[in-house]
Amino acid sequence: DGGITQSPKYLFRKEGQNVTLSCEQNLNHDAMYWYRQDPGQGLRLIYYSQIVNDFQKGDIAEGYSVSREKKESFPLTVTSAQKNPTAFYLCASTPKIPTGAATYEQYFGPGTRLTVT
Amino acid sequence: AQKITQTQPGMFVQEKEAVTLDCTYDTSDQSYGLFWYKQPSSGEMIFLIYQGSYDEQNATEGRYSLNFQKARKSANLVISASQLGDSAMYFCAMREFFSGGYQKVTFGTGTKLQVIP
Repeated sequence: DGGITQSPKYLFRKEGQNVTLSCEQNLNHDAMYWYRQDPGQGLRLIYYSQIVNDFQKGDIAEGYSVSREKKESFPLTVTSAQKNPTAFYLCASTPKIPTGAATYEQYFGPGTRLTVT
Repeated sequence: AQKITQTQPGMFVQEKEAVTLDCTYDTSDQSYGLFWYKQPSSGEMIFLIYQGSYDEQNATEGRYSLNFQKARKSANLVISASQLGDSAMYFCAMREFFSGGYQKVTFGTGTKLQVIP
């Protein structure tokens, strides 16, 4: 079945350590996104990528980095520079050019809950 | 400036009644798309409904309908015949298109809906 995989579901780290969150999709989508969600809050865009080896900063990119070496993969690194990294992280993807009958929605992964102490 | 505004942090509705969740947006583009997603306590993002800016008819999907008023820049979600399972966070989102098929999706802060038996 096609979909987006995020691993692990729960992740714990010590303050000062960098941590990389995995996001893999087998939907053949061109665009991929990372969002951060704090408790009771909406989704805020961290980074997004439209094609391999290209990505753009979203609204809250400071303290985060990404890479897009393969179409299927868009890992997010939470660096020690991120002041408040504990949050729920969601990865999403969409086709670059929507097909005529598509509803054009973003497909989401199950998310990773990161706790930094 | 906030692109997507959801002014209702929380809403209550009686089971079997209809409820409207508000969403206003801001864009100067002619071509854009509007979504609604549901997020239960498990954290997964469930796509509900989509409206393209050029769609003349309001989108409907089962018990969900989107009341699209382009001139007012509003895209309210109407849930008819509420069920207990509808209790969740609801997010409005807007997709903006750029040249070359690129796109960016921005989310509102969400509305927490609670259905009362």
